[in-house]
Amino acid sequence: GAVVSQHPSRVICKSGTSVKIECRSLDFQATTMFWYRQFPKQSLMLMATSNEGSKATYEQGVEKDKFLINHASLTLSTLTVTSAHPEDSSFYICSASSGTSLLEQYFGPGTRLTVT
Amino acid sequence: SQELEQSPQSLIVQEGKNLTINCTSSKTLYGLYWYKQKYGEGLIFLMMLQKGGEEKSHEKITAKLDEKKQQSSLHITASQPSHAGIYLCGADIGGQGAQKLVFGQGTRLTINP
Repeated sequence: GAVVSQHPSRVICKSGTSVKIECRSLDFQATTMFWYRQFPKQSLMLMATSNEGSKATYEQGVEKDKFLINHASLTLSTLTVTSAHPEDSSFYICSASSGTSLLEQYFGPGTRLTVT
Repeated sequence: SQELEQSPQSLIVQEGKNLTINCTSSKTLYGLYWYKQKYGEGLIFLMMLQKGGEEKSHEKITAKLDEKKQQSSLHITASQPSHAGIYLCGADIGGQGAQKLVFGQGTRLTINP
């Protein structure tokens, strides 16, 4: 099956700093990438949908100036958490899709962000 | 409120026992996806159901979508330690080829030897 990687897998940063998380599709071209956030013992919450070469579409309640998403190529999307605060600590998961069917959505292994 | 409700939220069963996890929606499900997640890892696709009454099986895991397409169940037969993990249902509730999935809160399954 298709492989999606995320880097880093874990990151600890200080409050006020920015952190960038990368999501890569390793063996296919991802026209659409999704970014999710997952709190402990809770569901995945979709944060935004990004299509290569265009601006990301953010879900209601997600601050686009705080969570910057860039999808510059068909294999790479980045999520930058700007001016991170402890409440931003969470598990961030990306998924990538090459087609129009949700069945073709492949998930990355996730990045655990801890803001101290 | 949660668009998809999973029950139970956690489940502990003895190895070899059968178990069922449910996923219920207040809206029509145009596509229902079951995933498995190990703690701190990504999601592994298990099965997808689209038609009312549809049932799919893979090894010892069977998933069904009810006729009204508002509830799905995941049944594991003769559970093994490898079945342990978090099971998530995800659904396309927008129809029309919507690109977004909403997820249930997950069911944490523990298998005791």
